Amino acid sequence: AQSVTQPDIHITVSEGASLELRCNYSYGATPYLFWYVQSPGQGLQLLLKYFSGDTLVQGIKGFEAEFKRSQSSFNLRKPSVHWSDAAEYFCAVGGGSQGNLIFGKGTKLSVKP
Amino acid sequence: DSGVTQTPKHLITATGQRVTLRCSPRSGDLSVYWYQQSLDQGLQFLIQYYNGEERAKGNILERFSAQQFPDLHSELNLSSLELGDSALYFCASSVDRGHYGYTFGSGTRLTVV
Repeated sequence: AQSVTQPDIHITVSEGASLELRCNYSYGATPYLFWYVQSPGQGLQLLLKYFSGDTLVQGIKGFEAEFKRSQSSFNLRKPSVHWSDAAEYFCAVGGGSQGNLIFGKGTKLSVKP
Repeated sequence: DSGVTQTPKHLITATGQRVTLRCSPRSGDLSVYWYQQSLDQGLQFLIQYYNGEERAKGNILERFSAQQFPDLHSELNLSSLELGDSALYFCASSVDRGHYGYTFGSGTRLTVV
């Protein structure tokens, strides 16, 4: 079955520290992978996406993610976290003929001063 | 503003009632997706329409129905509402069948009392 696992429900990092949010997927076909961010009371905003090619993809707000096929992972990273990055982050997988995305349960990021 | 418009933003209704949520996709987008977000279930895909036709169905209850009109706006109808239907309902749109990610609206928060 197709699924996305985000093992960390809640992560707290200090402002200026590096960040890595984990995402593992299970998908039968070649996956299309996405990271979205949701601020409180807001909809989801697309951070970055991977379809093919270079396995390290750059997104908005200084985020990047690396696709590792052997590990079925697509972890999100940022070298230096800002207080405004506090939000919930969702990993998603798609690529089937229908196009709908399957989302992980999300990781809530808190940033301490 | 993402370009995807959802109305109303908030809705409070009683059990057993029926409500309609409305979504206007981003200009030029042909696909509309409906998702339900709750604390325990996370983001659950409900249904997808592409250019007026139902394209994929997810975990949508029989009490729920949707349609996409010729002007491409979509409505999600929820009937015989139960307390457990209280959730955030998101609409998203994409120009194609969603392989390249999609744009979310800000959601409708439904509270059933």
